[in-house]
Amino acid sequence: GIQVEQSPPDLILQEGANSTLRCNFSDSVNNLQWFHQNPWGQLINLFYIPSGTKQNGRLSATTVATERYSLLYISSSQTTDSGVYFCAVTLTGGGNKLTFGTGTQLKVEL
Amino acid sequence: GAVVSQHPSWVICKSGTSVKIECRSLDFQATTMFWYRQFPKQSLMLMATSNEGSKATYEQGVEKDKFLINHASLTLSTLTVTSAHPEDSSFYICSAALYGRTGFLGYEQYFGPGTRLTVT
Repeated sequence: GIQVEQSPPDLILQEGANSTLRCNFSDSVNNLQWFHQNPWGQLINLFYIPSGTKQNGRLSATTVATERYSLLYISSSQTTDSGVYFCAVTLTGGGNKLTFGTGTQLKVEL
Repeated sequence: GAVVSQHPSWVICKSGTSVKIECRSLDFQATTMFWYRQFPKQSLMLMATSNEGSKATYEQGVEKDKFLINHASLTLSTLTVTSAHPEDSSFYICSAALYGRTGFLGYEQYFGPGTRLTVT
């Protein structure tokens, strides 16, 4: 099956710092989503981005489907950004099933 | 918009009993919902795809007789864990698929807050 690897697995930032999270996938996809899982377990939709670049406030995401990766940028990080970030993909021809990546655990400190 | 609820948020049950978890799309209709399972410090694993009015499709290795799924309406799917055992203790999360909400021509999944099941 498709492999979805995220890096780094863990990240500690000082408040105000910027970071880039990466998602690599092993096969052709037609859907990619980024999520933030907060400490209570709720997954929050960040981006639906099968291709191109989107920005939403301090967050932006870029997917280069032909090279099989996506990047999530977090600027001016805040303590509320802490949690786990997942990318998830839908395999081309695989219906609407999402395969989740391995996740990046982010901790933002004062 | 695109809110999904789950009930209960947590449940403790005795080994051998059954537990039902509800997943509702509150402000949209969803012909397809999904059920995931997440163990501590791990990623989400898809258990099954729930289609309104038809049988659920289970992922390989998921016992369909143990995890009963019913998608009775366009806004409600239920997961029943039958004859629960301690190894079934986990965080169960549902999602509902919504088409074309953010401009792309495809389905985006929205997730419920999850249900933490503990079997004693």
